[in-house]
Amino acid sequence: KAGVTQTPRYLIKTRGQQVTLSCSPISGHRSVSWYQQTPGQGLQFLFEYFSETQRNKGNFPGRFSGRQFSNSRSEMNVSTLELGDSALYLCASKTRDTFTLEQYFGPGTRLTVT
Amino acid sequence: AQKVTQAQTEISVVEKEDVTLDCVYETRDTTYYLFWYKQPPSGELVFLIRRNSFDEQNEISGRYSWNFQKSTSSFNFTITASQVVDSAVYFCALSGMGSSNDYKLSFGAGTTVTVRA
Repeated sequence: KAGVTQTPRYLIKTRGQQVTLSCSPISGHRSVSWYQQTPGQGLQFLFEYFSETQRNKGNFPGRFSGRQFSNSRSEMNVSTLELGDSALYLCASKTRDTFTLEQYFGPGTRLTVT
Repeated sequence: AQKVTQAQTEISVVEKEDVTLDCVYETRDTTYYLFWYKQPPSGELVFLIRRNSFDEQNEISGRYSWNFQKSTSSFNFTITASQVVDSAVYFCALSGMGSSNDYKLSFGAGTTVTVRA
């Protein structure tokens, strides 16, 4: 079974631009979560989607948004990029609608904002 | 609010030594889940173990074992007979149940483990 896939793997953008990252969960997984990892702040929760609905959101500005499609694939968008948005963005999926199960992570998208 | 503290920033050992990683957590949830993840240089977080708050039985899985003590809010993780391939950053994480902490993981800062041959 294929794991969580994220595209693109690497991205370089300029301050002020916007970016869209994509995540395809493991087949059959309906929950997708996004996390930001930076050297200064560590791993921080962005948001979680299940059946196209956002169920929880982390403490990030409105420039960070996401959505989930009917096939469970998810995208996150960051508008008006800032230098501080440079990070590794990780997507995770899990099987069922329960918080009790472990999440499986993708390889991440490394975003560099210049 | 949930908080996970990993006081050890870096640990360096020689192959075959045991490594114990400390994790202390804070949560207002009465039920919750604790996890350990490993992040090798490739960057992908790999799930290692999960423990729920209402089961304090400690277990061993291969070379991994963990010690969960609810009274001290600690969830320590041990790698027995370490190998060079165990070199990675290890994260302790916490997930709530039945509250706004549902569906998300709160991570510690991570402990970098280096195993030397």
